[in-house]
Amino acid sequence: SAVISQKPSRDICQRGTSLTIQCQVDSQVTMMFWYRQQPGQSLTLIATANQGSEATYESGFVIDKFPISRPNLTFSTLTVSNMSPEDSSIYLCSVEKIAANEQFFGPGTRLTVL
Amino acid sequence: AQSVAQPEDQVNVAEGNPLTVKCTYSVSGNPYLFWYVQYPNRGLQFLLKYITGDNLVKGSYGFEAEFNKSQTSFHLKKPSALVSDSALYFCAVRANLGSTLTFGKGTMLLVSP
Repeated sequence: SAVISQKPSRDICQRGTSLTIQCQVDSQVTMMFWYRQQPGQSLTLIATANQGSEATYESGFVIDKFPISRPNLTFSTLTVSNMSPEDSSIYLCSVEKIAANEQFFGPGTRLTVL
Repeated sequence: AQSVAQPEDQVNVAEGNPLTVKCTYSVSGNPYLFWYVQYPNRGLQFLLKYITGDNLVKGSYGFEAEFNKSQTSFHLKKPSALVSDSALYFCAVRANLGSTLTFGKGTMLLVSP
């Protein structure tokens, strides 16, 4: 397994501002992902965070809105840019170790945009 | 494209009774199937997975799931429900190792005392 922490755990932000969410893992992992869980909805994959290169975004998500960094094998950040109330969601980091074939999730960041 | 269907938004069961949370899937090739649980204000916790082998998979907290290839199902079960099992349960599928996970919409399980 893996122990994953996210900061902040929650935040309330104003429209038009940006928030950066941090994800830290206690061991080196192969893959890191960022998901969004909108109120009452399932999880939607935003992107795969690639170490040392640009993230791979899913359809409907773009780098300008959700820039992602992954400087090493244990840390990643997701920025939610120019926020609107529609961005109010839980943002979850997940990780996967090579050949493990299971993902572990962080506790999530609950974002409310006013 | 792969997909997961959880036909029930909510399942209600009395404590001590058996529970089933349904999941069906669609994927090209052999599926990799997962169940996760989400408690209020928490992240997702891994329960169990099916990769290959025995169709009956045992996981955490006394849960198990049965893979049925002909019915493309992977229902979650527990012989005797606890009030503390009340949570949101997600089924997920991927087509192969390293590919993206697709989640169902989730089923809220409510266990009454």
